[in-house]
Amino acid sequence: AQSVTQLDSQVPVFEEAPVELRCNYSSSVSVYLFWYVQYPNQGLQLLLKYLSGSTLVKSINGFEAEFNKSQTSFHLRKPSVHISDTAEYFCAVSVNQAGTALIFGKGTTLSVSS
Amino acid sequence: GAVVSQHPSWVICKSGTSVKIECRSLDFQATTMFWYRQFPKQSLMLMATSNEGSKATYEQGVEKDKFLINHASLTLSTLTVTSAHPEDSSFYICSASAPGRGYEQYFGPGTRLTVT
Repeated sequence: AQSVTQLDSQVPVFEEAPVELRCNYSSSVSVYLFWYVQYPNQGLQLLLKYLSGSTLVKSINGFEAEFNKSQTSFHLRKPSVHISDTAEYFCAVSVNQAGTALIFGKGTTLSVSS
Repeated sequence: GAVVSQHPSWVICKSGTSVKIECRSLDFQATTMFWYRQFPKQSLMLMATSNEGSKATYEQGVEKDKFLINHASLTLSTLTVTSAHPEDSSFYICSASAPGRGYEQYFGPGTRLTVT
């Protein structure tokens, strides 16, 4: 079975500061890794994903995450955050097989203030 | 893109009544749909996996007679909460996936159910 641990439940930062949201996973088989963002009272939006290939994946809005197999981590980073990045961020894994469900971490609330 | 809709987005019902939530893939055929439940400020918990034309597979602890899932077509899955009680109040989110779209799941916007 797979599991996901998001080490920080809340991360408060100031605008334009860098941020890292940590995610560790556990699995006995190969997995795919995802970061989703959820704004209040909305569904989930895919932020970025790692399926294979380059271990560093980037989103269009400045976020990036690096898959580290030896440390079983997939931390999310952004060098300079904006107020609009305030949201709930979920790390998720699935086994590398089509049609399988996602296992989510408990989420990290990113609060960006001016 | 791949768009998934849910209807209704928000529903209030009285205890003891049943509520049906629809999940539709608007621009692709979803061979697999998933239903998740999210409590306030908590993560998403998988309730069941639904493949078109077959019975849903429920996660441990989810009452299949209470949460009826039907995936009658490649673009529609429904979740019916039968004899709803206040503890069923939650945010229900569906997602859909399909061959040819890799391993990505496309999420609906969610349905907030409040049982009074």
